[in-house]
Amino acid sequence: EADIYQTPRYLVIGTGKKITLECSQTMGHDKMYWYQQDPGMELHLIHYSYGVNSTEKGDLSSESTVSRIRTEHFPLTLESARPSHTSQYLCASSESRILSEAFFGQGTRLTVV
Amino acid sequence: AQRVTQPEKLLSVFKGAPVELKCNYSYSGSPELFWYVQYSRQRLQLLLRHISRESIKGFTADLNKGETSFHLKKPFAQEEDSAMYYCALIGNSGYALNFGKGTSLLVTP
Repeated sequence: EADIYQTPRYLVIGTGKKITLECSQTMGHDKMYWYQQDPGMELHLIHYSYGVNSTEKGDLSSESTVSRIRTEHFPLTLESARPSHTSQYLCASSESRILSEAFFGQGTRLTVV
Repeated sequence: AQRVTQPEKLLSVFKGAPVELKCNYSYSGSPELFWYVQYSRQRLQLLLRHISRESIKGFTADLNKGETSFHLKKPFAQEEDSAMYYCALIGNSGYALNFGKGTSLLVTP
């Protein structure tokens, strides 16, 4: 079944650790996105990609990095986690045509202690 | 710069009452507006989009360029409408959605 998957759903990790949040989609979409959402706040775009080997930074500055080696895979990496990175991270994908619907994953809730 | 404002964090109405969730935007060009919804324990999903001019689950939204608003309305709220609602905008670049902070709608019996 076509879907978008995020793992892990929840992650508690110590300061200074390197982490990778996984996002995969089987919808055949070219565009993929990462949003960050703090409780009670709006979703902020932190990264997006138009396709393989394409990555762009979003509106909110983030210390995370992304890669797009395969169409279906768009992982997000934090080289050294800090408490300020504690947040919910949402991955989404959409077709290439402008104004197409974005499909979201379940999200990863990250806590850095 | 583009910005989406949802002034109400929480809106509580009785079942059968009309509901209006407010959304205002600022954008210098011609934006496209969307409403996304997140039901309890479910993922964020599209409810409706401005260009479709459709009614989904009894909800409608009209773009008012003069007031730069895109309010979501439903004449008779149902308990299953309780959810988090996000207004979102795509500008001329068309590359990604820009979201508001969301409004939590609670429909009580």
